[in-house]
Amino acid sequence: EAGVAQSPRYKIIEKRQSVAFWCNPISGHATLYWYQQILGQGPKLLIQFQNNGVVDDSQLPKDRFSAERLKGVDSTLKIQPAKLEDSAVYLCASSQSRGWAFFGQGTRLTVV
Amino acid sequence: QKEVEQNSGPLSVPEGAIASLNCTYSDRGSQSFFWYRQYSGKSPELIMSIYSNGDKEDGRFTAQLNKASQYVSLLIRDSQPSDSATYLCAVKEGSSNTGKLIFGQGTTLQVKP
Repeated sequence: EAGVAQSPRYKIIEKRQSVAFWCNPISGHATLYWYQQILGQGPKLLIQFQNNGVVDDSQLPKDRFSAERLKGVDSTLKIQPAKLEDSAVYLCASSQSRGWAFFGQGTRLTVV
Repeated sequence: QKEVEQNSGPLSVPEGAIASLNCTYSDRGSQSFFWYRQYSGKSPELIMSIYSNGDKEDGRFTAQLNKASQYVSLLIRDSQPSDSATYLCAVKEGSSNTGKLIFGQGTTLQVKP
């Protein structure tokens, strides 16, 4: 079974630039999560999708972050414009309904 | 009040000892609980899931759940240096299968040879 795929693995951008991350979940997983993990902290849930509907996006900074899940499969997370404090690892995960989440390798974003 | 709370540590134990990791959560209706291990620079990986009160054992790992006290713990027996990592407690909030999956800040475990 293929795992959760994320790209790119690393990204360095200047502040005020935009960036997009892509995630392909495990086949058949209805739930998709985007987390932000700052060094030394636990993953912070940004947005959770159930199929192509949003379950929760209460922690997503909507003035600069956006996310979509097309046709209930792949998802993209965008930041525009980026700030220095957005430097973090962005983790995508997917799960079946009651099951645990499987994580992708993450995208390490550095904003300079 | 944090939704899922863990002691950030570090927790240091000698090789062969029992490591005890604790987690409390705020949503009384939560039904699904998970422990993940995260090595430095890697993504979290599942160690244990637990859904019912009591103990669940898997090899050297035992998860314990007490819903009345809103408390989850992970015991690691015969700790090995390779167990040195950050352990994340995760709680799926609410009784629905679509509840938010919330993580604690993680406890760093150091196992000294």
